[in-house]
Amino acid sequence: GAVVSQHPSRVICKSGTSVKIECRSLDFQATTMFWYRQFPKQSLMLMATSNEGSKATYEQGVEKDKFLINHASLTLSTLTVTSAHPEDSSFYICSARGIDSVNYGYTFGSGTRLTVV
Amino acid sequence: AQKVTQAQTEISVVEKEDVTLDCVYETRDTTYYLFWYKQPPSGELVFLIRRNSFDEQNEISGRYSWNFQKSTSSFNFTITASQVVDSAVYFCALSEANNYGQNFVFGPGTRLSVLP
Repeated sequence: GAVVSQHPSRVICKSGTSVKIECRSLDFQATTMFWYRQFPKQSLMLMATSNEGSKATYEQGVEKDKFLINHASLTLSTLTVTSAHPEDSSFYICSARGIDSVNYGYTFGSGTRLTVV
Repeated sequence: AQKVTQAQTEISVVEKEDVTLDCVYETRDTTYYLFWYKQPPSGELVFLIRRNSFDEQNEISGRYSWNFQKSTSSFNFTITASQVVDSAVYFCALSEANNYGQNFVFGPGTRLSVLP
């Protein structure tokens, strides 16, 4: 149980366009979704936290108008990178926490490798 | 504030050697969770272990073992008889349980290369 599906796994887009990344909890209700970014050879850094039905809370230094997060249902959260630039190229990974997650930990999606050309 | 330190940036060992990956954490909370994840070149995070702050028992799972010591705020990970397939980046992470919805704080990671 506790599977999180993240799509797409890889995406290449042109500079100035927008890209949407989806994160779905397949067999549990994700009350909270976390979005992380990982630059090459670096650790994962939290970008934002979203609770279902609420506005996302962004970490310092993360532009909320550039990284739009929607968590409209208990099984789906999306991250849209708007007007992407080459410096947005990174590995984006989501994690989901359900009501029971305290007992088994958070579940991570498989990640999305974004390349902006 | 939460912080996770993994002092070893990169480690190289020869196959069949044992290797220990260090993890030191900082937290003010009395209730927290510690994790180890493996990240192979494909990128996904593979869950290895979760340990809560009240359980200091060491754990062994096959070739993997973990040593949790609250007195030194350490949660070290040992791979016995390493194999080439163990080559990956390993992350130690901390999650405080007092605030519902609290996220992970990841360490910087240790890149392990197991040479044939």
